[in-house]
Amino acid sequence: AQSVTQLGSHVSVSEGALVLLRCNYSSSVPPYLFWYVQYPNQGLQLLLKYTTGATLVKGINGFEAEFKKSETSFHLTKPSAHMSDAAEYFCAVRSNRDDKIIFGKGTRLHILP
Amino acid sequence: DAGITQSPRHKVTETGTPVTLRCHQTENHRYMYWYRQDPGHGLRLIHYSYGVKDTDKGEVSDGYSVSRSKTEDFLLTLESATSSQTSVYFCAISEETVNTEAFFGQGTRLTVV
Repeated sequence: AQSVTQLGSHVSVSEGALVLLRCNYSSSVPPYLFWYVQYPNQGLQLLLKYTTGATLVKGINGFEAEFKKSETSFHLTKPSAHMSDAAEYFCAVRSNRDDKIIFGKGTRLHILP
Repeated sequence: DAGITQSPRHKVTETGTPVTLRCHQTENHRYMYWYRQDPGHGLRLIHYSYGVKDTDKGEVSDGYSVSRSKTEDFLLTLESATSSQTSVYFCAISEETVNTEAFFGQGTRLTVV
């Protein structure tokens, strides 16, 4: 069965600094990977996704993620944090074996002025 | 926003009473999912559906049942609500192709007292 591990339930970065949110997955078949963002009292919004092809994926709001099969990782980055990036971020994995979409426990990103 | 409507948006109920949450979509997507979101646990899959009358269990299905009698509606029922089922419940939908993401509703906040 597939699973997702997000390292760090809370991450704090200064405004303008690099954002790095970590995600490792476990899947017995080629995975499809997603990052979602959730702002307070809202639903989840897709940031980006990896399906096949290019391993560096660009998403909305300046975020990108790199799929590394050898490390079973899909870390999310943004070169320069903005106050508006404060939110909770979820990594998710989907396989073509059973179509379940499994989420990690989430990382809350805090932006320091 | 994808056409997903969850109802009710907020509900307070007493322990031992039955509760039904409704998810309605206007996108004609094949897959529908129910998740619960709790602090420290992220989103956990309760049940999902891959077609009319086709459903399967997720990670935390005990105490929940689902039904899908038509493409657009996916119902989640708590047969006898318990305080541990106090949570925010999200419905999500996805197209048939496995490399597509899920789109989320706005959530239902359920409190069992």
